[in-house]
Amino acid sequence: AQTVTQSQPEMSVQEAETVTLSCTYDTSENNYYLFWYKQPPSRQMILVIRQEAYKQQNATENRFSVNFQKAAKSFSLKISDSQLGDTAMYFCAFVGNEKLTFGTGTRLTIIP
Amino acid sequence: EPEVTQTPSHQVTQMGQEVILRCVPISNHLYFYWYRQILGQKVEFLVSFYNNEISEKSEIFDDQFSVERPDGSNFTLKIRSTKLEDSAMYFCASRLAPSTDTQYFGPGTRLTVL
Repeated sequence: AQTVTQSQPEMSVQEAETVTLSCTYDTSENNYYLFWYKQPPSRQMILVIRQEAYKQQNATENRFSVNFQKAAKSFSLKISDSQLGDTAMYFCAFVGNEKLTFGTGTRLTIIP
Repeated sequence: EPEVTQTPSHQVTQMGQEVILRCVPISNHLYFYWYRQILGQKVEFLVSFYNNEISEKSEIFDDQFSVERPDGSNFTLKIRSTKLEDSAMYFCASRLAPSTDTQYFGPGTRLTVL
């Protein structure tokens, strides 16, 4: 069974600073995808970024980038130049065959 | 940009009543999912659906739950006799390709059971 662990329940950072959210996972599969989803107060699930396990290059999407360490089963999210609109819950998720397995989330607050 | 839609956005029901949550997946997607999130907790997988049948379900998805794709566009989740603990946000998701492609989520239906 796959597990996803997010060890930081809450984080806060000043606007315009950089913040890194941690995620580790456990799986015996070799081919899988990892995702970060953002959930603002509206509770909608918004895809932030995804990473294919077979790609060594870290994914980037504008201010969002990941540090994917396959051997360590680590998948952290870096948010650069943080903005007030980045305030949300962030969920790390794994999919190996069919279903998404989510972590417990990190509540990120951007302080003006 | 195509998106997954869900109706209603909020449903309030009495314990023991039946509810049907509706989803319209992205039109060319083939794989459909329901997830739920109890307030303050993580998102949990309920069921996956492909080719008009359930492909996987979790232990949460007991006999009180059923899913259906009644036509070419809608995907529904029915809860036959709601319990207080069914109160949660229910998300529909869809994806195009098998296995590891991205799942796109709808905005969710907030179900409140009184």
